[in-house]
Amino acid sequence: GAVVSQHPSWVICKSGTSVKIECRSLDFQATTMFWYRQFPKQSLMLMATSNEGSKATYEQGVEKDKFLINHASLTLSTLTVTSAHPEDSSFYICSARVPSGRETQYFGPGTRLLVL
Amino acid sequence: GENVEQHPSTLSVQEGDSAVIKCTYSDSASNYFPWYKQELGKRPQLIIDIRSNVGEKKDQRIAVTLNKTAKHFSLHITETQPEDSAVYFCAAPSGTYKYIFGTGTRLKVLA
Repeated sequence: GAVVSQHPSWVICKSGTSVKIECRSLDFQATTMFWYRQFPKQSLMLMATSNEGSKATYEQGVEKDKFLINHASLTLSTLTVTSAHPEDSSFYICSARVPSGRETQYFGPGTRLLVL
Repeated sequence: GENVEQHPSTLSVQEGDSAVIKCTYSDSASNYFPWYKQELGKRPQLIIDIRSNVGEKKDQRIAVTLNKTAKHFSLHITETQPEDSAVYFCAAPSGTYKYIFGTGTRLKVLA
């Protein structure tokens, strides 16, 4: 149980284009999902908390107009990197919280984004 | 908000020896502490967690200890094996369901 998938696993795009990343909880309903980015050899930095049916909560310093998050259903959250630039190249990982009163988060496999 | 510090940043041990990684946190109200293992290019995998109502939890070769007074918790891996080589992250809660992660420890088990 508690399986989280992400799609795509990797993407290469040109500077200025937008990229959408999907995060799905496969065997449970996730009212709360989280989006992280991870640069090489660094820790996971929380970008935003995605809440089903309401607006995402962004961490300080994260541009909400650049990183659009939509959590339209209990099993799907999407992150859209708008007008991507080379400095947005990173490993983006989502996680989902199992809504059983526990705090445990389960992570997706990540999406490696390379902006040329 | 919560602040998590993790040490050491790198750790090399001989196969069969023990490895210990330590994290400190700042918010005394924090009550749940997970440890994740991340292999290169892969997702973080939960390996063990502990709640603040216990001082130690063990799962085969892995154990976690918690000292609430000192606000630190540690990961102990005994009889290390080459497949234990990875980056290990601790985390502590910050706000509603959010985690703050430690900076990670790169463990290398030498055969």
